[in-house]
Amino acid sequence: GAVVSQHPSWVICKSGTSVKIECRSLDFQATTMFWYRQFPKQSLMLMATSNEGSKATYEQGVEKDKFLINHASLTLSTLTVTSAHPEDSSFYICSARDLLGRDAYEQYFGPGTRLTVT
Amino acid sequence: AQSVTQLGSHVSVSEGALVLLRCNYSSSVPPYLFWYVQYPNQGLQLLLKYTTGATLVKGINGFEAEFKKSETSFHLTKPSAHMSDAAEYFCAVTRNRDDKIIFGKGTRLHILP
Repeated sequence: GAVVSQHPSWVICKSGTSVKIECRSLDFQATTMFWYRQFPKQSLMLMATSNEGSKATYEQGVEKDKFLINHASLTLSTLTVTSAHPEDSSFYICSARDLLGRDAYEQYFGPGTRLTVT
Repeated sequence: AQSVTQLGSHVSVSEGALVLLRCNYSSSVPPYLFWYVQYPNQGLQLLLKYTTGATLVKGINGFEAEFKKSETSFHLTKPSAHMSDAAEYFCAVTRNRDDKIIFGKGTRLHILP
């Protein structure tokens, strides 16, 4: 149970373009989803928390106009990196929490998306 | 505020030797504690978790961890290391079901042949 997928697994884009990353919970309802960014050899940095049907809550220092998050359904959240630049290159990981499930405190992680901006 | 400290960004052990990865936390309320493993270019996989009850928690792949409230620690151990254990390990804490998870900086485990 509790599988989270991400698409694409890797993407290369040109500077100035926008990229959308999808995060899906495959077998449960993700009432809350989290987006993380991970630089090489570093820990995960929480970017934002999104609840289905409401605006995302961004962590301090994260530009909400640059990293657009939409959590339109209980199984899908998207992260759009707008006007991407090389410094946005990173590994992006989503996770999902099922507040209705038995293990409501646990987060289930997606496999990650490697973004490279050239 | 919660925090997690992982002692040692790199740990090397010989194959077959004991693995010990250290984690100390700070939390104003009884914590939920986790250990995750990450292989290169992959997401995080839950190794084990402590919520309530028994303080010695057994996880997957032969790993276990013990919650010691008096020491605010949740160290991860495995009696005998395998080459396949080489990965990045993250300790994490959360306060309750509605709170975000706070991660440590990670410990890279190297297994020597």
